[in-house]
Formats: sequence, structure tokens, C-alpha cells
Amino acid sequence: GEDVEQSLFLSVREGDSSVINCTYTDSSSTYLYWYKQEPGAGLQLLTYIFSNMDMKQDQRLTVLLNKKDKHLSLRIADTQTGDSAIYFCAESGGATNKLIFGTGTLLAVQP
Amino acid sequence: GAVVSQHPSWVICKSGTSVKIECRSLDFQATTMFWYRQFPKQSLMLMATSNEGSKATYEQGVEKDKFLINHASLTLSTLTVTSAHPEDSSFYICSARSGQVFDEQFFGPGTRLTVL
Repeated sequence: GEDVEQSLFLSVREGDSSVINCTYTDSSSTYLYWYKQEPGAGLQLLTYIFSNMDMKQDQRLTVLLNKKDKHLSLRIADTQTGDSAIYFCAESGGATNKLIFGTGTLLAVQP
Repeated sequence: GAVVSQHPSWVICKSGTSVKIECRSLDFQATTMFWYRQFPKQSLMLMATSNEGSKATYEQGVEKDKFLINHASLTLSTLTVTSAHPEDSSFYICSARSGQVFDEQFFGPGTRLTVL
């Protein structure tokens, strides 16, 4: 079945760039997403990329997609303490078109 | 932007009782709503997909009689946890999809259920 994996934890200093990585197995994914979840809250869609794109930039966020390796990354430039949260990648498409979430990466930003 | 609300935001109940959680799309009509469950420090697991006016489609391993889903209108879906037990304690999150060209799901803030 579909599987989406992420590293569990990333710690960076304020002002540095953060790179969160994600690998997936479903080659028929149509869209890939990055969501942010703050403690005790729901999910906020940060950005998404269509599967025929390689890169998408949106202000401080840059998404890179390597479809051959089924690898997705999210780069946050000039990381701030307010960026501390859990980040989930997700993919949709395929036969069911359901959202399949990754395992989540806890980003800790040190002042 | 599209807003999805959930009520209650948290609930504590005794074992054996039933709990109803509401999910509402406030400023759009949701053709499809989804219910997810999230255990501490874990990812979201899809429980079921509900379309307005039809029966929900449950994921493998999710008990239909345990988790009753009703999607009576284009703006409201409810999840009822029947005869709740401590192992049902979790964070339940709903999402709603408007059926527009881009298939974005808008997520509610979640409901924390604790069963004593």
C-alpha cells in the first residue's frame, strides 16, 4: 500500500534555513502537500505541488519534488520561533484520491 | 478562506457512554467530509469518508458500528463514538472538501476525546 515517511525531528537556530524531507511510494500521486500542525490544533495547509512540477516557491517556502526518487522536501528560509510545529507531508491521487499523511517531523527552532 | 469548525473542542466521558462530535463547514458547501484519528505524536489516520446524503465509506479496520458517521447536509457531518472505552481516547480531526477544481481539504481544529 501507500507509504509516506519523514524523519521524526529537526532542530535549527532562528534565522537558519530548515529542510524537511519526505519520501513516498505511490507513483500515481497527483498532488503532494505540506501541512503544519501546532500543538493541540488542526492542520494548516502550507503549500502544495502538482506532480508534474519540480519546484514551487511561495515566500519563505520552497518545495522540491524529485519524482524519479519519490522524494519531496520543504525548505523554510529564515526560520522563526513561530515556525516550531509538526510538519506533515501528504500525497493524494491514485485510485482512491485520499490524502495519505507522512509520519510527521517535529521542527524545533532555537532562539 | 474556507473555515471548518468542530464541536466540542474537547470532551471527557465515562466508559460505556456515547459521544457525538460535529464538523461544520462554515462558509462553503462540503460535498465530502473526512474523519481522521490522531494518536499522540503520531500521524493522522483516515477513518472514513462521508458524502452528503449517502453512507460513509470506512477504512479497513475501522468499526462501522463503533464510529457512526452521519452527513445529513452539505455543511454538517457528525461522528458518534458509541460505547466509548479508554482505548478510544484520541484526537479526532475532520476535514471538508468543496469539490472545486483543486482538491483541497480544509481541516477542523480537532476534538480531544478522553474516556475514563
